[in-house]
Amino acid sequence: ILNVEQSPQSLHVQEGDSTNFTCSFPSSNFYALHWYRWETAKSPEALFVMTLNGDEKKKGRISATLNTKEGYSYLYIKGSQPEDSATYLCAFPTDSWGKLQFGAGTQVVVTP
Amino acid sequence: DGGITQSPKYLFRKEGQNVTLSCEQNLNHDAMYWYRQDPGQGLRLIYYSQIVNDFQKGDIAEGYSVSREKKESFPLTVTSAQKNPTAFYLCASSWASGHNEQFFGPGTRLTVL
Repeated sequence: ILNVEQSPQSLHVQEGDSTNFTCSFPSSNFYALHWYRWETAKSPEALFVMTLNGDEKKKGRISATLNTKEGYSYLYIKGSQPEDSATYLCAFPTDSWGKLQFGAGTQVVVTP
Repeated sequence: DGGITQSPKYLFRKEGQNVTLSCEQNLNHDAMYWYRQDPGQGLRLIYYSQIVNDFQKGDIAEGYSVSREKKESFPLTVTSAQKNPTAFYLCASSWASGHNEQFFGPGTRLTVL
């Protein structure tokens, strides 16, 4: 089983502050890197699928970067809002068909 | 509305009984997946299927069985051989490629008494 590590395990952020957290993954046999957001009482929902070294993706106030050579991705939340409270999961395909290895997630709590 | 449905939302069973969790998708996806979530752990893959009538074991397949007789359906049976079946189970589907996002159902929480 290949290891996908996320840090920190949890974050408490004041509303309006920006934050970021990390996903590290094996740098060999890279296919893609997935980010999902999982809000309480909802299903996990895809944020980004990143495939190229140096890729940067953005969705609203959330953005992500990718470094495939060193095996890490950062997720940034700019100007955090309470609705950003969720667990953010990254996942790494271990084969070309999409078998994903998930990290344990970073739980983000944004307080007003 | 396209999506993935799982039923039931909550399931209680006595120890030693087999139980089947339902997963249906109308997204016309080739691939379907079953994950298990336990507190403090990431999603762990139980079984996955890339095409009808074919499926592969994931990382924690022991004590589980699946079938894929129709493209839309991928039921998971938790057998009495599964030593610790109480968990939250998520089903997902996607186009069969590591480049494609997975779409998740709402999950089933199984409690074995």
